[in-house]
Amino acid sequence: EAGVAQSPRYKIIEKRQSVAFWCNPISGHATLYWYQQILGQGPKLLIQFQNNGVVDDSQLPKDRFSAERLKGVDSTLKIQPAKLEDSAVYLCASSPIGSPLHFGNGTRLTVT
Amino acid sequence: GESVGLHLPTLSVQEGDNSIINCAYSNSASDYFIWYKQESGKGPQFIIDIRSNMDKRQGQRVTVLLNKTVKHLSLQIAATQPGDSAVYFCAEKPPDNYGQNFVFGPGTRLSVLP
Repeated sequence: EAGVAQSPRYKIIEKRQSVAFWCNPISGHATLYWYQQILGQGPKLLIQFQNNGVVDDSQLPKDRFSAERLKGVDSTLKIQPAKLEDSAVYLCASSPIGSPLHFGNGTRLTVT
Repeated sequence: GESVGLHLPTLSVQEGDNSIINCAYSNSASDYFIWYKQESGKGPQFIIDIRSNMDKRQGQRVTVLLNKTVKHLSLQIAATQPGDSAVYFCAEKPPDNYGQNFVFGPGTRLSVLP
C-alpha cells in the first residue's frame, strides 16, 4: 500500500510571501487531515476533511491559511501571507473513518 | 497537555532493557488512544492503539496500559533496540459526538544507549 505523499519536502520563503503544500492521501481513505508541528511539540490539527467537505477547521487561522480537497482526493494547504511563527512541519494524514491516522513525512517550512 | 517547547521530556535506556513512556491525557471523555513513533525527518508512525473499554493491549514488543481513573496512558517497550530511538507521542480522541479530533501530547524522546 502506497503511503501518504506530500510535496515539497522543504520550503524556505520570506515573511509575507505565500506558499502552498500538496498532499495525496492513501487511496480509499475518506478522511484527510492537515497538522502543524512546531519544533519540539506534538502535531496540532489545522483542518479535517471527510471526502471533499470540511469537518473541522476550528483551529485554522483563516485570515492567512486556506485548504481545499479536490474531488475528495488530493488536498492543498496554502499560507498567504506567511509569518515567522508559521515555521513548522506541515503534516498531512489520512484514514478510513474511525481508524488510526496514517501520516506523510511532511513539508518543513522555514519563514525568514 | 501543555507543550514543553524545545525541552522534550527525555528517557534514556540501555539497549536490551525495557522502556516505559508515560502520558497524561486531558479529556476524561476520550475513548480512543494511540501511540505514535516519530523518527527524525519522518511523519508519526502508528504503533498501537487502545479503546477505553480495555486497560491493557499487547503488540509485538509493545504494551499499552490505560488507567482511566487518573487519565494516564503508558507505553512499554520490551528489550529496547537502537531502532526504537525516536520521539513517542500519545494521542487521545473524545467520542464522535464531541466533534473533536485526535489531540497529541507533547512527546517523549527515547534514546537507546549502546
